[in-house]
Amino acid sequence: EAGVAQSPRYKIIEKRQSVAFWCNPISGHATLYWYQQILGQGPKLLIQFQNNGVVDDSQLPKDRFSAERLKGVDSTLKIQPAKLEDSAVYLCASSRTSGRKWELFFGEGSRLTVL
Amino acid sequence: EDQVTQSPEALRLQEGESSSLNCSYTVSGLRGLFWYRQDPGKGPEFLFTLYSAGEEKEKERLKATLTKKESFLHITAPKPEDSATYLCAVQARSGNQFYFGTGTSLTVIP
Repeated sequence: EAGVAQSPRYKIIEKRQSVAFWCNPISGHATLYWYQQILGQGPKLLIQFQNNGVVDDSQLPKDRFSAERLKGVDSTLKIQPAKLEDSAVYLCASSRTSGRKWELFFGEGSRLTVL
Repeated sequence: EDQVTQSPEALRLQEGESSSLNCSYTVSGLRGLFWYRQDPGKGPEFLFTLYSAGEEKEKERLKATLTKKESFLHITAPKPEDSATYLCAVQARSGNQFYFGTGTSLTVIP
């Protein structure tokens, strides 16, 4: 079974520039999550999709971050304009349910450096 | 508010020296508690899910236990390859979100 795919793995940009990250979840996983992980901290949820609908985006800085999940499969997270504090690893994860069991699987992450 | 606190922040062990990592949580109705391992530059790797107090899961040198307020990850006779950051997360019944702690950075010295 293929895992969660993310690209690019690394990105360096100047502040005020824009960047986009792409995620392809595990086949058949209806729920997709974007997390931000700052160095030394645990992952922080940015947005959660169920199929192509948004379930939770309460912690997404909507003035600069946007995300979409077209056709309920791939997802794109965009930052425009980027700030220095956006330097972090952006993790995509997907999950399925099997009865009462939920399991969350992560991609390798996209590391963003804002200069 | 749902919260997850992990301790200690960092732990250094000699190879073979057993120890435990703690994850305390407050959640309005626990659906599941999850343990992950994260190596530098990698995404978190799923280890265990625990669903109810008293439940235990084992995998090689790792054993996870759960009470109504906390979970422990016991590491028996660790090896250098067990060095990583161990993350704990909870999922509440009221939603599908997963909330993570800040992790414990484990270093096992040969």
